[in-house]
Amino acid sequence: NAGVTQTPKFQVLKTGQSMTLQCAQDMNHEYMSWYRQDPGMGLRLIHYSVGAGITDQGEVPNGYNVSRSTTEDFPLRLLSAAPSQTSVYFCASSRRTDGNTIYFGEGSWLTVV
Amino acid sequence: AQKITQTQPGMFVQEKEAVTLDCTYDTSDQSYGLFWYKQPSSGEMIFLIYQGSYDEQNATEGRYSLNFQKARKSTNLVISASQLGDSAMYFCAMREGLSGGYNKLIFGAGTRLAVHP
Repeated sequence: NAGVTQTPKFQVLKTGQSMTLQCAQDMNHEYMSWYRQDPGMGLRLIHYSVGAGITDQGEVPNGYNVSRSTTEDFPLRLLSAAPSQTSVYFCASSRRTDGNTIYFGEGSWLTVV
Repeated sequence: AQKITQTQPGMFVQEKEAVTLDCTYDTSDQSYGLFWYKQPSSGEMIFLIYQGSYDEQNATEGRYSLNFQKARKSTNLVISASQLGDSAMYFCAMREGLSGGYNKLIFGAGTRLAVHP
């Protein structure tokens, strides 16, 4: 049982490049979400999904795209990276019937230069 | 709009003493959940404790307990018998709704706790 797995753990991008942060969970959780954490701040919700084929925007969705083709995977795409997207990204998942237990991945550190 | 406020950017405590980290929240919903997470320097988010808005008793998990005051909209985390390993950032978070809510959390800015020997 690997829990929530994020890849890559570290990435440096040039402005304008695109990339995908991967998130996978092996717990058959319905709910998955992406957060970003800027220095000295708490996490802010980017996008979330309540099941395969269903996604919605969170608090800070601009510049990011998501899809959920399977229950296990919830990739986050940066369409054209900007320095303002330098942040730590966390993926989280939970079971629909147990929203009190939310599992977080270990985070992906992204720097855009 | 929902909001979480942690007014203590930094706290320090002597080892083996208790410490209280403050958190106030603002919501117009009657049903909500409150969480506390610990983030050590390695960066991962570690779940500590949860309190539902309809829970009549304060939540406890080992050395962690909540002082939940619904009328004041506060949920302060109490860590008893502090250990050096408790040094970390602590985040308070709120979810709209109870068991559902799609794990959409709103986080406070955090409190950095330093435990001194």
